[in-house]
Amino acid sequence: DQQVKQNSPSLSVQEGRISILNCDYTNSMFDYFLWYKKYPAEGPTFLISISSIKDKNEDGRFTVFLNKSAKHLSLHIVPSQPGDSAVYFCAASPSGGSNYKLTFGKGTLLTVNP
Amino acid sequence: ETGVTQSPTHLIKTRGQQVTLRCSSQSGHNTVSWYQQALGQGPQFIFQYYREEENGRGNFPPRFSGLQFPNYSSELNVNALELDDSALYLCASSSTDRVETQYFGPGTRLLVL
Repeated sequence: DQQVKQNSPSLSVQEGRISILNCDYTNSMFDYFLWYKKYPAEGPTFLISISSIKDKNEDGRFTVFLNKSAKHLSLHIVPSQPGDSAVYFCAASPSGGSNYKLTFGKGTLLTVNP
Repeated sequence: ETGVTQSPTHLIKTRGQQVTLRCSSQSGHNTVSWYQQALGQGPQFIFQYYREEENGRGNFPPRFSGLQFPNYSSELNVNALELDDSALYLCASSSTDRVETQYFGPGTRLLVL
């Protein structure tokens, strides 16, 4: 049972345009969400996060939107650059408890064309 | 500030053997988590260590075990290797004041033949 879903395996955009990566989750206990970027032969790099008390968080070119009622989040990259080409993973963490296990989606390969 | 480091970068083992992977956490981080990433999948949580004790475990059999040392570095041990254990093993660390945000190392690529 996949609790975090990234339904688009790949996305291609032109340089300078907006990239929108989507993520859906099913577990109501998730209340902290993160986006990671991964280049080949490297570990995931933390990009941006959002807690469930917010519906938007912005950091430079990256903005994450959270729609709790729809159990949906999205990452917007504006403007997109060729260096943004990578696999993007959405991850979620539950509230409470004593550990902060991350549950990941399968990733979306973003290609930004010059 | 030193990031998360892992060793070795690559490893080839045969079925039935045992393997130990190592991780040094980012400076100031006292919590270490291990993940397994199979080809085409997202990372899957194996377990987490805090103050040298296991602090949560994913759906992995007991032949996956770990340790955390007083300097917060960690080891992942896998006994009786199976072909399906071939994957990228990722270590992540986090600090007490931002424990929900985990920072990953480059990973160890394990191939079991």
